[in-house]
Amino acid sequence: LAKTTQPISMDSYEGQEVNITCSHNNIATNDYITWYQQFPSQGPRFIIQGYKTKVTNEVASLFIPADRKSSTLSLPRVSLSDTAVYYCLVGGPSGGYQKVTFGTGTKLQVIP
Amino acid sequence: DVKVTQSSRYLVKRTGEKVFLECVQDMDHENMFWYRQDPGLGLRLIYFSYDVKMKEKGDIPEGYSVSREKKERFSLILESASTNQTSMYLCASGQGGLYEQYFGPGTRLTVT
Repeated sequence: LAKTTQPISMDSYEGQEVNITCSHNNIATNDYITWYQQFPSQGPRFIIQGYKTKVTNEVASLFIPADRKSSTLSLPRVSLSDTAVYYCLVGGPSGGYQKVTFGTGTKLQVIP
Repeated sequence: DVKVTQSSRYLVKRTGEKVFLECVQDMDHENMFWYRQDPGLGLRLIYFSYDVKMKEKGDIPEGYSVSREKKERFSLILESASTNQTSMYLCASGQGGLYEQYFGPGTRLTVT
């Protein structure tokens, strides 16, 4: 499984755009990149998934360069409720299962 | 909405006791997972199941076993609880392949 490295923590002011970068130098050809969000005392929640270039949904955007050795989760105009831990996962289908590993995540603190 | 429920939010057990943690999902998902989450270590996969009566070891299966007799239910068993199994336990379910995992609220287990 490809190992991921992401910052341990980040601070941002309300209303700013936040970019969290994850490096995954050993990503395999059939691996996808997935991001989850976890609030205190809750289980993680899926945010976005992509393979290459750019993916956007109602919550975030995911930017993946051509070499796919890194990816950036972009959260537009964060609010206090975006304070959470964000996990970058890399993995691909293994039989009927997406084999992934959760790392330690990035703790985002949004400041008023 | 997908719902993953876990039998208890908080549990206190004594060393040597047999502990059962139950997880139920209501979306007919093929895959179910058990993770434990510890400060500084992120989420670590204990076991997963891709079908009824089928199971696969995750990254840290030692000291645990699992049971999946029905598609919607996945149990984690600690045969003889030890203090180093004090942790937050999270259950998840998902479809096969690259589909997202849906997490339950977690069970905080304390072994004294």
